[in-house]
Amino acid sequence: NAGVTQTPKFQVLKTGQSMTLQCAQDMNHEYMSWYRQDPGMGLRLIHYSVGAGITDQGEVPNGYNVSRSTTEDFPLRLLSAAPSQTSVYFCASSLGTGYQETQYFGPGTRLLVL
Amino acid sequence: SQQGEEDPQALSIQEGENATMNCSYKTSINNLQWYRQNSGRGLVHLILIRSNEREKHSGRLRVTLDTSKKSSSLLITASRAADTASYFCATDTGRRALTFGSGTRLQVQP
Repeated sequence: NAGVTQTPKFQVLKTGQSMTLQCAQDMNHEYMSWYRQDPGMGLRLIHYSVGAGITDQGEVPNGYNVSRSTTEDFPLRLLSAAPSQTSVYFCASSLGTGYQETQYFGPGTRLLVL
Repeated sequence: SQQGEEDPQALSIQEGENATMNCSYKTSINNLQWYRQNSGRGLVHLILIRSNEREKHSGRLRVTLDTSKKSSSLLITASRAADTASYFCATDTGRRALTFGSGTRLQVQP
């Protein structure tokens, strides 16, 4: 199993550009989530999904969209990038109800918005 | 504000010593988890302790949970240089998502 994969590893955007961060898992996990990690602030939840077709907002959802058309994929879309979205983005997945179980994290995507 | 807060923010010890880091949280939890993050990498799950448990062990790791004080501690015994990483606690408050603290940066000097 590849586990949780994320692409790209690193991306530079200009303010106002849009892009999609890809996340995929091959463990048949129902629960998937996106976090951003900023220096000194730990991880903050952006969006999560408890299964295909179901998504919900986390702590910091503004400026981001998600969809879950398949169990395997959970892309994160930045609609109009802003410098405040410069961060490291992590995707995670887990079995069952997810938040009560072990989270498996991807390697992260480093995003720089100029 | 953060649900979980780790203490200390940074810790530097010598190889072979024990490392203790603490996590305090604000609201009732279903479980508490500890994760490790090596520099530039994703988080790796270490241990999960449920609200009705008081202590769990996994190898050189020992986690305690005191729900009356809303706190948890992670003890790493006989530390190694490879234990150098950031350690995060994460709490499940029943809101269908985990809440992470800001982490403790552990440096183990060889």
